Amino acid sequence: KNEVEQSPQNLTAQEGEFITINCSYSVGISALHWLQQHPGGGIVSLFMLSSGKKKHGRLIATINIQEKHSSLHITASHPRDSAVYICAVSLNTGNQFYFGTGTSLTVIP
Amino acid sequence: NAGVMQNPRHLVRRRGQEARLRCSPMKGHSHVYWYRQLPEEGLKFMVYLQKENIIDESGMPKERFSAEFPKEGPSILRIQQVVRGDSAAYFCASSPPSLARETQYFGPGTRLLVL
Repeated sequence: KNEVEQSPQNLTAQEGEFITINCSYSVGISALHWLQQHPGGGIVSLFMLSSGKKKHGRLIATINIQEKHSSLHITASHPRDSAVYICAVSLNTGNQFYFGTGTSLTVIP
Repeated sequence: NAGVMQNPRHLVRRRGQEARLRCSPMKGHSHVYWYRQLPEEGLKFMVYLQKENIIDESGMPKERFSAEFPKEGPSILRIQQVVRGDSAAYFCASSPPSLARETQYFGPGTRLLVL
């Protein structure tokens, strides 16, 4: 079983819709990360969370430590938001990241 | 401050050849991580290095793969006698010593295609 589970795997939305991507993890973590990867592109870090909520523009990330769950929200989605969104965790021990399999988001104009 | 640099961005090899992937961390970063992203799969940890030391190679295949991070120059991920199953995107990430556990900056990746 993967340490990090994401849902949904694929998501198609109309421009302007509110989008939620979920991430659950099964291990003790020091931080949770949301990453963005465009097709054929590199990986960009969107958020690092250890508690609560963070907001950057139209993106909002929340984490519930007790429930081992995080959500990434996109408000007023736009076609340029189309990408793969990846949840990753860093553990209390060790330095590597553990990744979810990603959510492929397509926003249709 | 330039970001993490990887080269080449794309690499094509025939079965049995060697592949060398390079990663130059951000300035001031002494920790380097290599991850592999197989087609249709998530990223998987391969190896974690500090200057001149391999700290954790628990994700490296036992044969044909090696990594180094010399005192001078980039980190190198070397794959000997490549096979078709090695075709993947290989990402390097770096972090400064003070934030090694929590913050990693990713490079653009090297897409390896084995024919």
